[in-house]
Amino acid sequence: DIQMTQSPSSLSASVGDRVTITCRASQSISSYLNWYQQKPGKAPKLLIYTASSLQSGVPSRFSGSGSGTHFTLTISSLQPEDFATYYCQQSFSARLAFGGGTKVEIK
Amino acid sequence: EVQLVESGGGLVQPGRSLRLSCTASGFTFGDYAMSWFRQAPGKGLEWVGLIRSKAYGGTTEYAASVKGRFTISRDDSKSIAYLQMNSLTTEDTAVYYCSRDYWSGSNLFDYWGQGTLVTVSS
Repeated sequence: DIQMTQSPSSLSASVGDRVTITCRASQSISSYLNWYQQKPGKAPKLLIYTASSLQSGVPSRFSGSGSGTHFTLTISSLQPEDFATYYCQQSFSARLAFGGGTKVEIK
Repeated sequence: EVQLVESGGGLVQPGRSLRLSCTASGFTFGDYAMSWFRQAPGKGLEWVGLIRSKAYGGTTEYAASVKGRFTISRDDSKSIAYLQMNSLTTEDTAVYYCSRDYWSGSNLFDYWGQGTLVTVSS
């Protein structure tokens, strides 16, 4: 099975900061990589799909890049509503998998 | 409006069984694969399994952690997906979510239910 590794597991940042989260796959997954945001007590929300496509309604400060085994999610200017946990997910193989998550906290 | 509502969660003893339901509305249920996920308290997301639409054979896939114990099925006439959980252990304690494929075969998920809590404890 494909393993997904996110880093860092948590980070502290201030409003307005540029934030980058990394996700690595244990084997090439082409561009079959998606990003979700989850707030406490809520279901995940799709932000980015197929590595770089912005889901409808998601602010343009979110962007994704990468292919193969290395991917990044960037928030260009962190807003108060962006403090949450972010997960990557591979959709390359039928046995789906998430990264361990990155919790973005207020500095 | 697309809605997914999970039900059937609760407290169950180790070794027992439980069946969760995911009732869908607002879209043509039979056209979509449906997946189940779970999140243990304070932990990350874990994919549990999926069932493809009839157009893709209605076949299922499972995570290694639940294969042989959990079974996913669907009733397209009622727009419901089921998760039958057998031989439950304390490790299965989690909030269980259902979700639908963004598009057929995409294996990514645009709509999610609110989740239902399953607690396995004696």
